[in-house]
Amino acid sequence: EDQVTQSPEALRLQEGESSSLNCSYTVSGLRGLFWYRQDPGKGPEFLFTLYSAGEEKEKERLKATLTKKESFLHITAPKPEDSATYLCAVRASGGYNKLIFGAGTRLAVHP
Amino acid sequence: NAGVTQTPKFQVLKTGQSMTLQCAQDMNHNSMYWYRQDPGMGLRLIYYSASEGTTDKGEVPNGYNVSRLNKREFSLRLESAAPSQTSVYFCASSGDPQETQYFGPGTRLLVL
Repeated sequence: EDQVTQSPEALRLQEGESSSLNCSYTVSGLRGLFWYRQDPGKGPEFLFTLYSAGEEKEKERLKATLTKKESFLHITAPKPEDSATYLCAVRASGGYNKLIFGAGTRLAVHP
Repeated sequence: NAGVTQTPKFQVLKTGQSMTLQCAQDMNHNSMYWYRQDPGMGLRLIYYSASEGTTDKGEVPNGYNVSRLNKREFSLRLESAAPSQTSVYFCASSGDPQETQYFGPGTRLLVL
């Protein structure tokens, strides 16, 4: 069964304290791994798509990496405005564009 | 360019009442989706429309119906609301089924 697990469920950081969020997945034929950011009361906002092991993408203080079994979202020197829930989703091979989402990691960055 | 818009933002229903959630996108996307988000769980696909004129069931379709009104609009209907349908509903769209999905702001539904 296709599955996505994110850890930790919640993470509290001090401003400037770098860390990583994990997304582990089991899927039959990965056709893309997606990272979204979700602020309270809002819809998910697209961050990155990764397609193959070894691929990396960066945006400001965020860097996403992908292996055959997991993805990491590295946050370097975070600021309070990086506080949000980060969602990971995978698209498996199959008949339609089904995204399987993890439950998310709630990140709080304190000054 | 508003992206994906949803109405209403918040709704309270009594058990057994019906309502329609509206979604529109102005990105000329072909594919549209309806998800629900519950605490502690990932977003789950209810229905999707790969292109205008087609709709298909997702992971949790029971209790819902959809209509792809035209290329821009995709509505979700609850015929007889149940407390288990209390959730936050998100609409999304993508250029085609293989492209990135972009989400609307959500509709918060409470069924009493």
